[in-house]
Amino acid sequence: EPEVTQTPSHQVTQMGQEVILRCVPISNHLYFYWYRQILGQKVEFLVSFYNNEISEKSEIFDDQFSVERPDGSNFTLKIRSTKLEDSAMYFCASTATNTGELFFGEGSRLTVL
Amino acid sequence: AQRVTQPEKLLSVFKGAPVELKCNYSYSGSPELFWYVQYSRQRLQLLLRHISRESIKGFTADLNKGETSFHLKKPFAQEEDSAMYYCALRAAGNKLTFGGGTRVLVKP
Repeated sequence: EPEVTQTPSHQVTQMGQEVILRCVPISNHLYFYWYRQILGQKVEFLVSFYNNEISEKSEIFDDQFSVERPDGSNFTLKIRSTKLEDSAMYFCASTATNTGELFFGEGSRLTVL
Repeated sequence: AQRVTQPEKLLSVFKGAPVELKCNYSYSGSPELFWYVQYSRQRLQLLLRHISRESIKGFTADLNKGETSFHLKKPFAQEEDSAMYYCALRAAGNKLTFGGGTRVLVKP
């Protein structure tokens, strides 16, 4: 069964460093998402992406965040200059149609020191 | 703005007992509601949605617009139901707003 895959599973970085989290959505899916979950808190929406552009973003998704689909298979989240409060589990998700059934990856745990 | 509240962080029940996970939402329009589940060491996955009105793994959930609730129920809990459960709302647009989650522990 096809799955969303995410790399790395865990990344430790120093504050101020750039981080790229990678996702490979399910191949025939058209809608892509990033969510994050700070330890002990809710799963929060960051951004949605469709037809090679951002379709919606949350207040969390400020100028230090960016997303890209560079090659038709990968979907990346870049954090330009990480802060301590960016430490969280980041989930990528995809779906074939514009419904609420999202297919999630296993997550990338980011630790900012 | 939409909001989803799951008042119980932890529900502990014995095998064979009924279990009900509460979910309340606030949204001014007509929402779509979902329950997602995350089993130990597995990814978050859809359990059921209110539109389909079906029972999945013995779970059902009814959307009550008057009470703005979408509680998840199962009459006889099984040990394999132990997991983290998230209620989610889809408003206009395509993002999901999640509740804080309820951890269910089914004891033998």
